[in-house]
Amino acid sequence: QTVVTQEPSLTVSPGGTVTLTCASSTGAVTSGYYPNWFQQKPGQAPRALIYSTSNKHSWTPARFSGSLLGGKAALTLSGVQPEDEAEYYCLLYYGGASWVFGGGTKLTVL
Amino acid sequence: EVQLVESGGVVVQPGGSLRLSCAASGFTFDDYAMHWVRQPPGKGLEWVSLISWDGGSTYYADSVKGRFTISRDNSKNSLYLQMNSLRAEDTALYYCAKGISPRLVVTMIDYWGQGTLVTVSS
Repeated sequence: QTVVTQEPSLTVSPGGTVTLTCASSTGAVTSGYYPNWFQQKPGQAPRALIYSTSNKHSWTPARFSGSLLGGKAALTLSGVQPEDEAEYYCLLYYGGASWVFGGGTKLTVL
Repeated sequence: EVQLVESGGVVVQPGGSLRLSCAASGFTFDDYAMHWVRQPPGKGLEWVSLISWDGGSTYYADSVKGRFTISRDNSKNSLYLQMNSLRAEDTALYYCAKGISPRLVVTMIDYWGQGTLVTVSS
């Protein structure tokens, strides 16, 4: 069974920079996994932030960026705002139209 | 404005069946693949199923394969999830989600609905 692993929790200070990562049990994450990132705040539906590794949606704030880093997909937040406190999920594509979410990272802004 | 509104979530007994619906508006529905994603209470997201823009191709997570059936009616701008042989572990908030790219089966997610809650309990 394929497992996608994210940091369970991270803490960042307002104005700081933080990087969340997304690893695959099958090996290095490449662009062929089309990494996606989503933000979910309590009581709300997820919101798409990044698709295909680094592409932003029209509503994605400029401080969010996606990349590949050391065999993982990565989401970097630069100049973190208090409203960025949320759960963040990555999503990887494994072929045959099979998608697997990571377990999520709870980001605390403190 | 893209809108996705799920409905049909209720309390159902183990072994029972249920059909979820998702009403779509604000985009050309029959151009886009659609996903179902679920989230058990207090837990993470799980991808459930995908259907191509024309309904000709369907895909499922192993956890629901053989029990759930995804379908769509493009004349009604509606997506469905037929859920049979329900188990306690199917208890979750079920979201429908829109594919990003038109006329592609392998497409990521941009818009999400607000979800409908399915509870499997005796």
